[in-house]
Amino acid sequence: GNSVTQMEGPVTLSEEAFLTINCTYTATGYPSLFWYVQYPGEGLQLLLKATKADDKGSNKGFEATYRKETTSFHLEKGSVQVSDSAVYFCALSDKTSGTYKYIFGTGTRLKVLA
Amino acid sequence: DAMVIQNPRYQVTQFGKPVTLSCSQTLNHNVMYWYQQKSSQAPKLLFHYYDKDFNNEADTPDNFQSRRPNTSFCFLDIRSPGLGDAAMYLCATSSASMGNQPQHFGDGTRLSIL
Repeated sequence: GNSVTQMEGPVTLSEEAFLTINCTYTATGYPSLFWYVQYPGEGLQLLLKATKADDKGSNKGFEATYRKETTSFHLEKGSVQVSDSAVYFCALSDKTSGTYKYIFGTGTRLKVLA
Repeated sequence: DAMVIQNPRYQVTQFGKPVTLSCSQTLNHNVMYWYQQKSSQAPKLLFHYYDKDFNNEADTPDNFQSRRPNTSFCFLDIRSPGLGDAAMYLCATSSASMGNQPQHFGDGTRLSIL
């Protein structure tokens, strides 16, 4: 079945460091790919998305490119801030029985130190 | 702003005492989902509604039930909560016909069992 694999955390960085969180997926067909962010005590918020191969999603300085050849959707940010500390989830959409279900990775906790 | 609202944010119940969590949406999405999320884990899908059609995940315990009286509202009923049911419960919505669109999440209800 379809699945999402994320790098394990926690990831601890100093402010202004470069961030990469790896995400790879297994899917039949051409799923849409998403990154969500979850701050403590809150629900998941969409960070960015890509719907087809070579699409680049971007938002708030974060970027991820849909790489079909490597089945990857790695999240990057050039200069992290303390406020980026959160848990990041990679996800894909999978159509089954007429509706879309969303498959999540296990999440990667990011801690940014001042 | 269109959104997904969960009430209450925090719920405390006693072991074995039924509890109901609620979710409402103003997005007019036809699919609503309930997830269980335990600490440092990915959200786990319990079930979802496609309009009035209920879709249960194979591994969702019978202790968990759901109702969707109309498009806007969806409820999660836990008939006899056990200590293992303490978790964050997340409600989400999506448009069934558009898998390239993200889910929209509420802020969750954190359930504690005494």
